[in-house]
Amino acid sequence: QVQLVESGGGVVQPGRSLRLSCAASGFTFSSFGMHWVRQAPGKGLEWVAVIWYDGSKKYYVDSVKGRFTVSRDNSKNTLYLQMNSLRAEDTAVYYCARGGSNSNNDYWGQGTLVIVSS
Amino acid sequence: DIQMTQSPSSLSASVGDRVTITCRASQSISSYLNWYQQKPGKAPNLLIYAASSLQSGVPSRFSGSGSGTDFTLTISSLQPEDFATYYCQQSYSTLFTFGPGTKVDIK
Repeated sequence: QVQLVESGGGVVQPGRSLRLSCAASGFTFSSFGMHWVRQAPGKGLEWVAVIWYDGSKKYYVDSVKGRFTVSRDNSKNTLYLQMNSLRAEDTAVYYCARGGSNSNNDYWGQGTLVIVSS
Repeated sequence: DIQMTQSPSSLSASVGDRVTITCRASQSISSYLNWYQQKPGKAPNLLIYAASSLQSGVPSRFSGSGSGTDFTLTISSLQPEDFATYYCQQSYSTLFTFGPGTKVDIK
C-alpha cells in the first residue's frame, strides 16, 4: 500500500534552516510528481511546492519562492524540502502528497510540525 | 494565481441531512476541481476529483458537480463520521490552490 512518511520537523529560530524528508513506499516513486502542502495551526491548507516525477521542473507558491527548494532522490524514494531563512509565518504542519494521475493529491503523509520561534 | 472561495465557511447539520458546499474559482478551471475531507489532527483525504469523479473507497453519498468557475460538493445523507472540514482545490494551474475550507459540525 502507498505510504508517505515525513520527518525532519522541529523547533527552529527565525532565519535558520531546516530540511524535511518524505520517504515513499508502495508505488513507483519515480513515476509520480510530488507536492508539499502546509497547514498553519488552526488554519486552512496551503499548497507549497511541486516537483516533476524526474525532478526536471519545480514550482513554488510566491510566499516561499527563493527561500524553499524542493528536490527528490528517486534512487532513495525520498522527497525533500529545504527551507531557508525561516519566518514565524512558516510555522505549520508540512505534508507531502503524491501527485495523482488525475491531477490531484491522492495520497498524503501524516505530516511533520515545523515551529519557527526564538 | 487562481483564487478559490468556499461557502459557507461553516455549517451545522444533523445526521441524515443533505449538505451542500459551494466552491468558486476566480477564473475558469474547466473541471480541474478536487474535494478533500480533513478531520482534526489528520491528513486530508481525497473525496472527489475532476469535479465529479468519486475517489476509490469513498462512500457514494458524496458527489460533486460543476465546471468552469462554480462547483458543488453534496453529501446526500450526513453520517456521524462526516463531521469534518472540507476543502476544494483547483489543479488547472501548475500551482494548485485550496479554498479556505468549510467546517461541518453537529447541530
